Order: sequence, then structure tokens, then C-alpha cells
Amino acid sequence: GQQVMQIPQYQHVQEGEDFTTYCNSSTTLSNIQWYKQRPGGHPVFLIQLVKSGEVKKQKRLTFQFGEAKKNSSLHITATQTTDVGTYFCAGPSKNSGNTPLVFGKGTRLSVIA
Amino acid sequence: DTGVSQDPRHKITKRGQNVTFRCDPISEHNRLYWYRQTLGQGPEFLTYFQNEAQLEKSRLLSDRFSAERPKGSFSTLEIQRTEQGDSAMYLCASSPDRVFGNTIYFGEGSWLTVV
Repeated sequence: GQQVMQIPQYQHVQEGEDFTTYCNSSTTLSNIQWYKQRPGGHPVFLIQLVKSGEVKKQKRLTFQFGEAKKNSSLHITATQTTDVGTYFCAGPSKNSGNTPLVFGKGTRLSVIA
Repeated sequence: DTGVSQDPRHKITKRGQNVTFRCDPISEHNRLYWYRQTLGQGPEFLTYFQNEAQLEKSRLLSDRFSAERPKGSFSTLEIQRTEQGDSAMYLCASSPDRVFGNTIYFGEGSWLTVV
């Protein structure tokens, strides 16, 4: 079945440094979503990417969807302590966009002040 | 607040006991999902409903697990004869039934510890 892999598993950065996490799928995705989970919290939706090569920005966060729609990345510019948490990518379990999401294992970000 | 709510938030149970979790989705959402999450892992899909119909069950959902959504509103997840390996956070989520791109909204989760 559908698998979504993320690297790195952990990332420790100094506050102000940039951070990037990568997501790769075993199959072409109709869409990819990103979620953030703060320590002790639950996953919260950040964004959805649909189009090949799509780039979306949310303040210091930049999300990209690969041309082949099999990979994605999340880049944070000038990290802050509020960015701490685990970032998950997720894609539909089957070719249809309207099927349950399969999540990657996440990238856990620590920010050292 | 009209988000997804789960109850109880924490449950400690002895091995072999049964436990039940309840989820109340966002009111206008007709899809409801159950996921399980262990430390250091992403959410793993267990099952989902569209209204009262259970549309899919993961292989992770052994015969000790059963989920219901009798009236298409709240849902329950029951685990019978709990084992230590069942210790995890059980996440409920809901979404509207769109043709494409079902963003899901998670509840705060129910932590289960089996001792």
C-alpha cells in the first residue's frame, strides 16, 4: 500500500537557523498535506498542495510539491522557539484524493534559543 | 468550541480489561476517522466512517477492536482484552465529505496505558 517517508527523523537547530524536512511517496499523489504536532498535543493541519510543482507560503514556512507529485518539502526560514514540534506529511491511501490519509513518521524539530 | 472532542483523555487499565473511547466530531462533518499513534511515530489509520457506514478497516484493527457510529454522529472505539501493546494515543478526526482533498481535523486524543 501507499507509503510516505520523511527525512530527517530529528533536527536540532539554533534559533534563527533554517530548517527543511522532506517527504517522499512510493506512488504519485493526488494531493499532499502537512500537519504540525506540538509536544503533548495533537496534529494540526497546516496546508494542502495539489498541483505539480506547486509552492505555497505561510509567513516563514514554504511548502513545495514536486513536479512528479511524489515528493514534497517544508522549509522554515529563521526558526523560532514556537516552531518546535513534529511535522508530518500525509497523502491519500489510494489513488483517489478522497481516501483516508497515510502519514509519514514525521520530523521532530528542536529549536535551541 | 465546536472542534472534535474525545473522552476520556487518559485511561489506565489493567491488561485483559475492556476499554471504550468516545469521539464527537465537528457537527457538519460526516466522515469520522480513528487513528493510533505511539511515541515517535506518525498517526496510523485504523478505520473510518461515512455517516454511520464503516467504509474501511486497517489490518491493524484486530478482532479485539470494534468501532461504531450508530447514528452517524458520535463514534465509539472499544478494545477488548487489552494488551500492553495497545498502549498508545487514540486519535479521532473528522472531515467533510468532499470529492477531493479531505483535510482532517483531529481531536486531542485519548491516551491509553495498559499495565
